[in-house]
Amino acid sequence: DAKTTQPPSMDCAEGRAANLPCNHSTISGNEYVYWYRQIHSQGPQYIIHGLKNNETNEMASLIITEDRKSSTLILPHATLRDTAVYYCIVRVVGAGSYQLTFGKGTKLSVIP
Amino acid sequence: GAVVSQHPSRVICKSGTSVKIECRSLDFQATTMFWYRQFPKKSLMLMATSNEGSKATYEQGVEKDKFLINHASLTLSTLTVTSAHPEDSSFYICSARAGTARAHEQYFGPGTRLTVT
Repeated sequence: DAKTTQPPSMDCAEGRAANLPCNHSTISGNEYVYWYRQIHSQGPQYIIHGLKNNETNEMASLIITEDRKSSTLILPHATLRDTAVYYCIVRVVGAGSYQLTFGKGTKLSVIP
Repeated sequence: GAVVSQHPSRVICKSGTSVKIECRSLDFQATTMFWYRQFPKKSLMLMATSNEGSKATYEQGVEKDKFLINHASLTLSTLTVTSAHPEDSSFYICSARAGTARAHEQYFGPGTRLTVT
């Protein structure tokens, strides 16, 4: 699976949009971009995933650049409960490819 | 999303003893379960992958005789840390997916904090 690069930490004011970047310059054509988050001392939680089109769900939006070498996770109105480590994971989706390889992620701190 | 539970949530044991951690899928049949370990301020590291009814596949560097994994049913997998030592103290997290699930439908348990004294 391709590797990803994320800033180690970010701050965001409560109520503002949190934009978390991820670089995946070596991504292959059949690799998806996944985002998970881990609140302190809990298991990871799935947020969103995409291949090349932008995606939106009730939690967040995912913006993938046209060349697919980077993406941005957007939390439109961050709350204190969004304070967590956010992981950007790139992986092939196919038979037997269900493992998730976690990098260091970005520690997002939402500030009151 | 689906629910995965772990028991116990935290455990303290003495060096040299063994401790068993359970991972259960509560509302779906988990054909595949994964076990991760996470040290303080570090990321999750995959330890092993287990499919129901077959032997677990361990990641490089993970001792299969020390970390015994049993996936005897479609809703339960257990991780036994044998002859635990202080360096085994960590946060152990399982995840599970159903056989028909889409790739992102992998659900994580809340984790088990193991402290070996």
